[in-house]
Amino acid sequence: AQKITQTQPGMFVQEKEAVTLDCTYDTSDPSYGLFWYKQPSSGEMIFLIYQGSYDQQNATEGRYSLNFQKARKSANLVISASQLGDSAMYFCAMREGGGGFKTIFGAGTRLFVKA
Amino acid sequence: SAVISQKPSRDICQRGTSLTIQCQVDSQVTMMFWYRQQPGQSLTLIATANQGSEATYESGFVIDKFPISRPNLTFSTLTVSNMSPEDSSIYLCSVYRGADTYEQYFGPGTRLTVT
Repeated sequence: AQKITQTQPGMFVQEKEAVTLDCTYDTSDPSYGLFWYKQPSSGEMIFLIYQGSYDQQNATEGRYSLNFQKARKSANLVISASQLGDSAMYFCAMREGGGGFKTIFGAGTRLFVKA
Repeated sequence: SAVISQKPSRDICQRGTSLTIQCQVDSQVTMMFWYRQQPGQSLTLIATANQGSEATYESGFVIDKFPISRPNLTFSTLTVSNMSPEDSSIYLCSVYRGADTYEQYFGPGTRLTVT
């Protein structure tokens, strides 16, 4: 069965510094997608970045990059140059391939950016 | 991106009553998904709603408690029936858009409090 693990309930980072949010996953399906979402206090879910299991390069979207280590089954999110507006809950998620659309989410990491 | 609206945005309900949540998408989609996020928790998929067929429920969720309608390709409703305080959660609808179908978008959520 597929599983997503986020072991950091909370993280603090100084404004303008980089931070890494950890995510490990488990699946027996060779085809899968990995996602990161941001959830501010307003409650909306904001899609940040996607990594496919067959992608050769790590995904990047602006200040967000995904450190994909397939052999270790990890998909850490790196936020560079943190901003106060980055303070939010961050969820790692996975969807298996084969035409399935069910996404499972990790427990989340709450990020606090300090001025 | 997909524009998704939900009604109501929040509600406070008495135990034993029912609430119907509406989800409207700005374009036609095959599948719509309903998630629950209990306080301080991650997202859990309740069911998948396809137009013209019965919804598919995940383990732990049943149709009698969470009946779903999908009358057309842009609209769905989720009813939370015979509510108890344990049903207090954020309920989110979600769709997939994009050629690669990895782009998953969420509605703003409905914050339900059951007293």
